[in-house]
Amino acid sequence: DADVTQTPRNRITKTGKRIMLECSQTKGHDRMYWYRQDPGLGLRLIYYSFDVKDINKGEISDGYSVSRQAQAKFSLSLESAIPNQTALYFCATSQYSNYGYTFGSGTRLTVV
Amino acid sequence: QKEVEQNSGPLSVPEGAIASLNCTYSDRGSQSFFWYRQYSGKSPELIMFIYSNGDKEDGRFTAQLNKASQYVSLLIRDSQPSDSATYLCAVNGDTGNQFYFGTGTSLTVIP
Repeated sequence: DADVTQTPRNRITKTGKRIMLECSQTKGHDRMYWYRQDPGLGLRLIYYSFDVKDINKGEISDGYSVSRQAQAKFSLSLESAIPNQTALYFCATSQYSNYGYTFGSGTRLTVV
Repeated sequence: QKEVEQNSGPLSVPEGAIASLNCTYSDRGSQSFFWYRQYSGKSPELIMFIYSNGDKEDGRFTAQLNKASQYVSLLIRDSQPSDSATYLCAVNGDTGNQFYFGTGTSLTVIP
């Protein structure tokens, strides 16, 4: 089984719909992150969390919310999806600030 | 705004050659530098990290860091077609709480 699991792998949704992307990990890492990747723009941080009671906004948090249900679970919600939220979304984990990330396999989201 | 700049490429090298990938960053307080490889449609995979000025070697990969010039590079020796991917440079911010990514350099190794 993968260390960092994202569901769903692919999702097509309509404008205005609420959608949740889920991430779970077996790494035992405290730090979890949500990024989106767009062609030409690279990976941009949406939210991050260092423990269950810690939630922090990244550089592009508008239109998104998150929930850290447990140390191993970190969910990203789009409250009212819009087409420019069409992107590849990655969840990532790390153990310490100077350690690299372990990425999930990604969720390809299309908003029509 | 923290900036991490990479030449988007595409960079093409023949099989067996040395591929050189470059990255500059804007935050002088950055302490940790990472290189990720991302195959098309896949997630990024960590291949190298470096914290100190100088060179760090791991197999066919060498990371080079020059903090004074705010420059980090990745050399791939004896390039193989399987090295064809996009390479992402990542730099941590001065608080260490998050990493900033470049847009990536696309590398193609021609058999």
